[in-house]
Amino acid sequence: SQQGEEDPQALSIQEGENATMNCSYKTSINNLQWYRQNSGRGLVHLILIRSNEREKHSGRLRVTLDTSKKSSSLLITASRAADTASYFCATDEVPGNQFYFGTGTSLTVIP
Amino acid sequence: EPEVTQTPSHQVTQMGQEVILRCVPISNHLYFYWYRQILGQKVEFLVSFYNNEISEKSEIFDDQFSVERPDGSNFTLKIRSTKLEDSAMYFCASSVGPRYEQYFGPGTRLTVT
Repeated sequence: SQQGEEDPQALSIQEGENATMNCSYKTSINNLQWYRQNSGRGLVHLILIRSNEREKHSGRLRVTLDTSKKSSSLLITASRAADTASYFCATDEVPGNQFYFGTGTSLTVIP
Repeated sequence: EPEVTQTPSHQVTQMGQEVILRCVPISNHLYFYWYRQILGQKVEFLVSFYNNEISEKSEIFDDQFSVERPDGSNFTLKIRSTKLEDSAMYFCASSVGPRYEQYFGPGTRLTVT
């Protein structure tokens, strides 16, 4: 089995700046998904990128996937205080139908 | 917008007791999942369920766990004899298919004393 690992573990930026979080994994995947979790709350789905895609956008979010390096990045542009949360990548490995979550990046956006 | 719901939001139980956690997945979704997150740790996959059968389960999902879809809307996780280490947030999720976005409920916080 494999697990996504995010870095950095914690990131603190000023409102308006961009935030970049990275995820690395170990084996082949069907897709990779990014989630946000506010403290003590549920997981909010942000974006799914399939193994044959290289980049995807959704609003202020930009996700890239490099299957040769087994890595993905999540970029949040023009960050807001409301973006403060933990961000997780989850990989859907081949074969199987299990999701593996990483340990997450804790993002703090300072107003 | 449709969402996954879970009840109760918080359950306190004594060690050795049975608990049932309930979930109502999004209505047109066919795949259902349970995950747990021990405080301060990563989210861990427990089980996936499709067509009234378990399709995959992790090592965590041992004989004390069971899942059921008792009717057309509910999806339940039963823990037969709870242990202290079962204390965690339990998340239900659903998706339209096995390779699609999984949408999570708000979670049930289980505290075993």
